[in-house]
Amino acid sequence: DQQVKQNSPSLSVQEGRISILNCDYTNSMFDYFLWYKKYPAEGPTFLISISSIKDKNEDGRFTVFLNKSAKHLSLHIVPSQPGDSAVYFCAASAQGGSEKLVFGKGTKLTVNP
Amino acid sequence: NAGVMQNPRHLVRRRGQEARLRCSPVKGHSHVYWYRQLPEEGLKFMVYLQKENIIDESGMPKERFSAEFPKEGPSILRIQQVVRGDSAAYFCASSPANEQYFGPGTRLTVT
Repeated sequence: DQQVKQNSPSLSVQEGRISILNCDYTNSMFDYFLWYKKYPAEGPTFLISISSIKDKNEDGRFTVFLNKSAKHLSLHIVPSQPGDSAVYFCAASAQGGSEKLVFGKGTKLTVNP
Repeated sequence: NAGVMQNPRHLVRRRGQEARLRCSPVKGHSHVYWYRQLPEEGLKFMVYLQKENIIDESGMPKERFSAEFPKEGPSILRIQQVVRGDSAAYFCASSPANEQYFGPGTRLTVT
């Protein structure tokens, strides 16, 4: 039973354009959402998070949008850079993030020069 | 500012041996989490610990796996009598409150 779903295993984008990574969840108890970036043979690196009381959070080139009614969130990267090429994981947590994280299977982003 | 440290980075064990994975959290972080990642999968939660206490072990297999976070020293994930199916990347994360910060992982290979 996959509580956090990333339905696109891969995404290819041209440098300078926008990358949009999507994530759906099923558990209505989730109230804190995070995006992590992962390179091969390294641990996940925290990118950005959003609490369920907000619908948008922005940090530089990264913006996360949350649609609670649709149980959907997305990560926008603009402009995309070749160094952004990595696997991106969506994660969700209940009780403000202090509980365990439930991860999606990841989306592999390739940004072409 | 040292991040989360894990050692060893790579560990090879024969079937039936014990594996010990160590995690030193970010200084000042009192919450430690262990996750396991199988190939082509996302990370799966195993256990959540605070100093000297197991808070949530709902993701730990019932047998052969144990974890501790003593008052002094690193957190230890112990796998007894390893089997081939235990081969995976094991990640530790620490947190002061909300965001969890991950270490580089230990890649366990069981031969």
